[in-house]
Amino acid sequence: DTAVSQTPKYLVTQMGNDKSIKCEQNLGHDTMYWYKQDSKKFLKIMFSYNNKELIINETVPNRFSPKSPDKAHLNLHINSLELGDSAVYFCASSQQNILGRESGANVLTFGAGSRLTVL
Amino acid sequence: RKEVEQDPGPFNVPEGATVAFNCTYSNSASQSFFWYRQDCRKEPKLLMSVYSSGNEDGRFTAQLNRASQYISLLIRDSKLSDSATYLCVVEDLTGNQFYFGTGTSLTVIP
Repeated sequence: DTAVSQTPKYLVTQMGNDKSIKCEQNLGHDTMYWYKQDSKKFLKIMFSYNNKELIINETVPNRFSPKSPDKAHLNLHINSLELGDSAVYFCASSQQNILGRESGANVLTFGAGSRLTVL
Repeated sequence: RKEVEQDPGPFNVPEGATVAFNCTYSNSASQSFFWYRQDCRKEPKLLMSVYSSGNEDGRFTAQLNRASQYISLLIRDSKLSDSATYLCVVEDLTGNQFYFGTGTSLTVIP
């Protein structure tokens, strides 16, 4: 019963190719995210969707296009892959409930990661 | 200036030692705070939330100082299985954005 699942786990491809990573969560969360973790292990937000609506779009090349067909899914499509795109991409979800919630109640849950290697 | 700053370490400590990690955040309006743990080649997982009054979970104690914008994690009686990277995480006021520190690497040595 994986809470946040993403596929594929590993992806090896040539420069210039187009690839997609899929993510699904069964937690009933409203918000989903894509994070990139580079070789220095720094986790950086790329995109955030709340109920299928884009709410965060950090400085990411427009070769990266997220798509959220429904609130349980957030896919990431990457065009014209470059060497610098090699990283681990993590999908995550959280339940945002502002009214009356305690500090720490909005927990971020990650998928297992998709390790992309561009040759 | 980064939203969240952590000492990257590495911290190499013997089994049984007590070790403390610190983290500072830049946005005073931040509303929630967490420590996550990330094992090698795995996803980050929640270790504990950090509450204003401080909180403890077994050997782990987290503290928050809003005035100084400072968060800490204390691990007592370190075990080999505590070896991991510990990530300080801060949630902004909107509840839409989580900022991660670079992580602090801990290795517990037999």
